[in-house]
Amino acid sequence: DAGITQSPRYKITETGRQVTLMCHQTWSHSYMFWYRQDLGHGLRLIYYSAAADITDKGEVPDGYVVSRSKTENFPLTLESATRSQTSVYFCASKVGSDTQYFGPGTRLTVL
Amino acid sequence: QQQVKQSPQSLIVQKGGISIINCAYENTAFDYFPWYQQFPGKGPALLIAIRPDVSEKKEGRFTISFNKSAKQFSLHIMDSQPGDSATYFCAASIKGNQGGKLIFGQGTELSVKP
Repeated sequence: DAGITQSPRYKITETGRQVTLMCHQTWSHSYMFWYRQDLGHGLRLIYYSAAADITDKGEVPDGYVVSRSKTENFPLTLESATRSQTSVYFCASKVGSDTQYFGPGTRLTVL
Repeated sequence: QQQVKQSPQSLIVQKGGISIINCAYENTAFDYFPWYQQFPGKGPALLIAIRPDVSEKKEGRFTISFNKSAKQFSLHIMDSQPGDSATYFCAASIKGNQGGKLIFGQGTELSVKP
């Protein structure tokens, strides 16, 4: 099916471990985004990518790493997970100049 | 200046009533204002959007009212239905700025009682 998929949908990990969240889109959209959603903060941008091999920081990039070797994939890595990174993570891609489409999210718990 | 402030945090409306959610912003460079609807366990989905050259946009039961001078915009849901119960987010962006990243409000949890 066309769209954005995220995996895993749920993840529990421990402080200090490395975790990678996957995002895959089937539309070949140029722009992709990673947001985190926390109660009282709405969604905040972590990183975005304008195209393969082009990435840049958003509002809250500390502790996260991204890569984009292929247009359709945009993985997000937490190099050493901390409890403050417990959140719901959403990947999005953009069609045209404005409309962003969001994936179903990954709920990450860091113990 | 990059903030978008949304109110109320939660809203309870009777079936058939009007739901109104308000947002305010400071940055006059914002040029795109979407509203997203999110159901539990799902990602946000675009509901309706407006640009600052238009004062109102209507799609079915959903209307955005935009007041450029006051730097405010609001979502009106007419004839609210239980199926409208969800969290609503307003957002704003600047074309070309960080890929057109969205700055989100804090969200409003709407509950429509039957």
